Amino acid sequence: NAGVTQTPKFQVLKTGQSMTLQCAQDMNHEYMSWYRQDPGMGLRLIHYSVGAGITDQGEVPNGYNVSRSTTEDFPLRLLSAAPSQTSVYFCASSYFGRGGYGYTFGSGTRLTVV
Amino acid sequence: DQQVKQNSPSLSVQEGRISILNCDYTNSMFDYFLWYKKYPAEGPTFLISISSIKDKNEDGRFTVFLNKSAKHLSLHIVPSQPGDSAVYFCAVCTDKLIFGTGTRLQVFP
Repeated sequence: NAGVTQTPKFQVLKTGQSMTLQCAQDMNHEYMSWYRQDPGMGLRLIHYSVGAGITDQGEVPNGYNVSRSTTEDFPLRLLSAAPSQTSVYFCASSYFGRGGYGYTFGSGTRLTVV
Repeated sequence: DQQVKQNSPSLSVQEGRISILNCDYTNSMFDYFLWYKKYPAEGPTFLISISSIKDKNEDGRFTVFLNKSAKHLSLHIVPSQPGDSAVYFCAVCTDKLIFGTGTRLQVFP
């Protein structure tokens, strides 16, 4: 099925561990982004990419790295997990510039850091 | 600094009545305004949008109103249905999508 696929759906990490959240889309969208959702904070942009090889920081980039080697994939890396990174993470994609048509989101990854 | 604000964290409406969700923004240069709907354990889904050159956009039971002078956006749902119970996020789009904090709508029978 066409769309945005995120893996894993759930993850528990110990403080200091590293991991990569995977995101893949098969719609040939140029634009991809990562958000985190926290209670009372809405969805906050972590990093985004307007095409392969191009990434930029969003509102809350600290503690996260990204890369975009292909159009389809946009992984999010936590190098040293902290309890403050406990959240639900969403990946989204869109044709760049189609601001009025909205973005397609994945179903999320629920991450707990203990 | 919050660029998009939804001051009501929750709203409860009876089935069949109108639901009005509000959103305020700070930057008059924003081009597109959107509403997303989110059910638990799912990603947000696009609901309706409006361009900054319009003041109203309608899609079935959903209407979005834009008041540029007040920097205010609202979503009207008429009539409200129990299936509309979800968290609604307003968002603005420039070169990226910026979300408000969300309003949890509950529609009761």
